[in-house]
Amino acid sequence: GAGVSQSPSNKVTEKGKDVELRCDPISGHTALYWYRQSLGQGLEFLIYFQGNSAPDKSGLPSDRFSAERTGGSVSTLTIQRTQQEDSAVYLCASSLDRGDTEAFFGQGTRLTVV
Amino acid sequence: KNEVEQSPQNLTAQEGEFITINCSYSVGISALHWLQQHPGGGIVSLFMLSSGKKKHGRLIATINIQEKHSSLHITASHPRDSAVYICAVIKANFGNEKLTFGTGTRLTIIP
Repeated sequence: GAGVSQSPSNKVTEKGKDVELRCDPISGHTALYWYRQSLGQGLEFLIYFQGNSAPDKSGLPSDRFSAERTGGSVSTLTIQRTQQEDSAVYLCASSLDRGDTEAFFGQGTRLTVV
Repeated sequence: KNEVEQSPQNLTAQEGEFITINCSYSVGISALHWLQQHPGGGIVSLFMLSSGKKKHGRLIATINIQEKHSSLHITASHPRDSAVYICAVIKANFGNEKLTFGTGTRLTIIP
C-alpha cells in the first residue's frame, strides 16, 4: 500500500490476555518505530528498528512488551498479560532511513483493556 | 522539565486569523518535526526541518538552531485546521533516532 498500515484499528481485550498489534511499513522504509499515546497523555516512544541492527527497546515500559520485525518489513508488537494501564493508541511510523528523514505514521490501533 | 516544550497548550481563534505555535527544546537535535493529529487520532507529518524555513500551502515552519526554537504558522486559518499540533525532535546522538515529543497544542478554529 501507499502508506503505513496498522491492524487491527480497534482492539478490546480482557485484562490478562495477550494481544498482538501489526504494522506494515511503507515498502522500502528501513526504519520503523512504535509509539504509544495514552488517554490525555502525549506520545511516548516504545521501540525502534533500523535495518538489521539490534532494535532500540529503551522505551518499552515493562517485560510484558515485546516487538519483532520480520524480514525487515512487517512488525508485530506483543503485549502479554495486558493490564488496564496498557489501554492506549499504539502508533507505528516508518521512514526511509535514519530518523532524520520524514516519518510517516499509521492510523494507530486503539487498545482497550477491560 | 520536558525536553520539548510547546506553547500555547490550547489556542482558539476565529477563521482567517494568523496562527503561531511555538516549540522550544533543550537538547541538541539533528532534526525537528511538526506533526498534525486529527480528532480521529491519525497523525500526519507536516514538516521535517533542520534549519531555516519551509512552506507548504498555508503552513510555514521555521527553526532557529542557535535559540533552540521552532515556530509553526498558519495563515488564513480555517476550521479544518482544527487539530492537535505536535512538535517532535530527533536528538543529535548517533543511533538515537527516536522522536521526543512535545505535549501538543490543541488548535480550534471557529467559523
